Amino acid sequence: KQEVTQIPAALSVPEGENLVLNCSFTDSAIYNLQWFRQDPGKGLTSLLLIQSSQREQTSGRLNASLDKSSGRSTLYIAASQPGDSATYLCALNTGANSKLTFGKGITLSVRP
Amino acid sequence: DTAVSQTPKYLVTQMGNDKSIKCEQNLGHDTMYWYKQDSKKFLKIMFSYNNKELIINETVPNRFSPKSPDKAHLNLHINSLELGDSAVYFCASSRKTGALNTEAFFGQGTRLTVV
Repeated sequence: KQEVTQIPAALSVPEGENLVLNCSFTDSAIYNLQWFRQDPGKGLTSLLLIQSSQREQTSGRLNASLDKSSGRSTLYIAASQPGDSATYLCALNTGANSKLTFGKGITLSVRP
Repeated sequence: DTAVSQTPKYLVTQMGNDKSIKCEQNLGHDTMYWYKQDSKKFLKIMFSYNNKELIINETVPNRFSPKSPDKAHLNLHINSLELGDSAVYFCASSRKTGALNTEAFFGQGTRLTVV
């Protein structure tokens, strides 16, 4: 059974800092991994998707990496801004039915 | 031009009532899902339909019944609502299942409060 862990549960950083959010998982037999952003009271916005055959994906100031052998993914946010404040969730697609297994998320606060 | 839309956004109802949540996607996707986010913000899948066929049915009370009239719609009907059903319910869709690049897109959620 796939288990996804995101630690710490919350993180507070000053504006401008580069930061890394971690995601670990127990079953390396994955199809892909998605990083989402959730703002309070809102839905999930897909940030990046990394296929199992890929090592990383980049979009703007975001870079996500995937290391299946160690069961880890990281989301790197460069030059953080207050607008980056949100909960970041990683989710793994581990089956032919494309069910996503989520971590509990990391709530990021970027202080001006 | 919302991709995945759910209605209503908020739903407050009394215990014992029956209610429905509707979901529509205009992305041309074949697969739709219902996820539940509990009070601790943990997201877990409930159901999935592929081309109107049920393919995932997690351990969900049979008071919950999904219905897919066509592949662009997946509705969730809940009978005899209980206090523990209070949560945020998210609809999602993806192009197809079983592909490495299958990406899920989520709606804005329906916050259900049972009083």
